Amino acid sequence: SYELTQPLSVSVALGQTARIHCGGNDVGSKNVHWYQQRPGQAPVLVIYRDIKRPSGIPDRISGSNSGNRATLTISRAQAGDEADYYCQMWDSGSVVFGGGTKLTVL
Amino acid sequence: QVQLQESGPGLVKPSETLSLTCTVSGGSMTTYYWSWIRQSPGKRLEWIGYVFSSGTTNYNPSLERRVSISVDTSKNEFSLRLNSVTAADTAVYYCARDSSNYGEDAFDIWGQGTMVTVSS
Repeated sequence: SYELTQPLSVSVALGQTARIHCGGNDVGSKNVHWYQQRPGQAPVLVIYRDIKRPSGIPDRISGSNSGNRATLTISRAQAGDEADYYCQMWDSGSVVFGGGTKLTVL
Repeated sequence: QVQLQESGPGLVKPSETLSLTCTVSGGSMTTYYWSWIRQSPGKRLEWIGYVFSSGTTNYNPSLERRVSISVDTSKNEFSLRLNSVTAADTAVYYCARDSSNYGEDAFDIWGQGTMVTVSS
């Protein structure tokens, strides 16, 4: 079955840029979606179809997807960005989630 | 705007059936795909399956033998049944909506989640 691989954790200094990668075989040919999950809360969609932002998501958050890696980029990181982030796609009619990355803002 | 709310028992005994309902408010269920997703204490997200508003279903192959999802659009709700539960089924259970009328897209709306513990 298809797998999406994410680093367990990423750290970023306040105001700097964080990049969270999501690896998978030829993932660039798929639509990848990203969710933010703060402690005790449900996931929130922050990027869909690789690069699109739902209404209400700031343009500091962006996505890209090419080759074997999709990337979520958070610019000008804020304390409120500290959360778990999950990538997700569909493969052969089933949903695949990455294992999640904990973003720490220092 | 559309909101989802899960409901059901928080404690289920091993070998019994887990039953949850998701109530949809603020919008129509018609022409959307509605999913159940769970998150284990280790935090991994696992898709359980979906039901289309017409009643068509699709399940995660790893759970297919034990799961059933149904919809009642007249009540604006859809339900999950998971049979023969074990401690491995302990998780927070979320209901969620697929953002596209065609399915296989992002989940744009999620319920708040409900914790279900399997224990005697």
